[in-house]
Amino acid sequence: NAGVTQTPKFRILKIGQSMTLQCTQDMNHNYMYWYRQDPGMGLKLIYYSVGAGITDKGEVPNGYNVSRSTTEDFPLRLELAAPSQTSVYFCASSYGDRARSGANVLTFGAGSRLTVL
Amino acid sequence: AQTVTQSQPEMSVQEAETVTLSCTYDTSESDYYLFWYKQPPSRQMILVIRQEAYKQQNATENRFSVNFQKAAKSFSLKISDSQLGDAAMYFCAYRPMRGSNYKLTFGKGTLLTVNP
Repeated sequence: NAGVTQTPKFRILKIGQSMTLQCTQDMNHNYMYWYRQDPGMGLKLIYYSVGAGITDKGEVPNGYNVSRSTTEDFPLRLELAAPSQTSVYFCASSYGDRARSGANVLTFGAGSRLTVL
Repeated sequence: AQTVTQSQPEMSVQEAETVTLSCTYDTSESDYYLFWYKQPPSRQMILVIRQEAYKQQNATENRFSVNFQKAAKSFSLKISDSQLGDAAMYFCAYRPMRGSNYKLTFGKGTLLTVNP
């Protein structure tokens, strides 16, 4: 099983450029999340989705957009990249049904390191 | 809002010794989940152990165990017989049991070094 797959693993952007971080999961999880990890700051939630067609803001949504057209995919778009968006980005997924075993356990992708210069 | 605090930015332990990582949290909820995640240099986030707040018994997973003190809102991780492969950043995390978003709130992490 692939689990959660993120691409690209590394990317350098110039200020003002746009890009999309891709995230795909093959576990039929209905919940998906995007986190960013800054040094010494832990992980902060950017956006999450409880199912196809439904998304909502997390703690730090400014400068980002998401969409969830399918259960499997949850891309994160950066518009007008800024140096403050230099970070490591993690996509994660989980079941949302409490009756399922492991429903509360998030499975993470390997992360995408983004640098904005 | 829920907060998770890890007061030890860095810890070190000798190989084969025992180390305890601290975590406290703040919540008004009575039912929730607590987790410890490990992040090695590869960056992959790996679940180490989880605890349901309604369970009085502390969770254990092989060499990893927790000391869950609900009244004190404390959730420490004990690693016994430390191994070189345990060296990593460790994150404590909280997730409410009720609600529709299942958001996970993380602490800032503790960097564990294992000395041979």
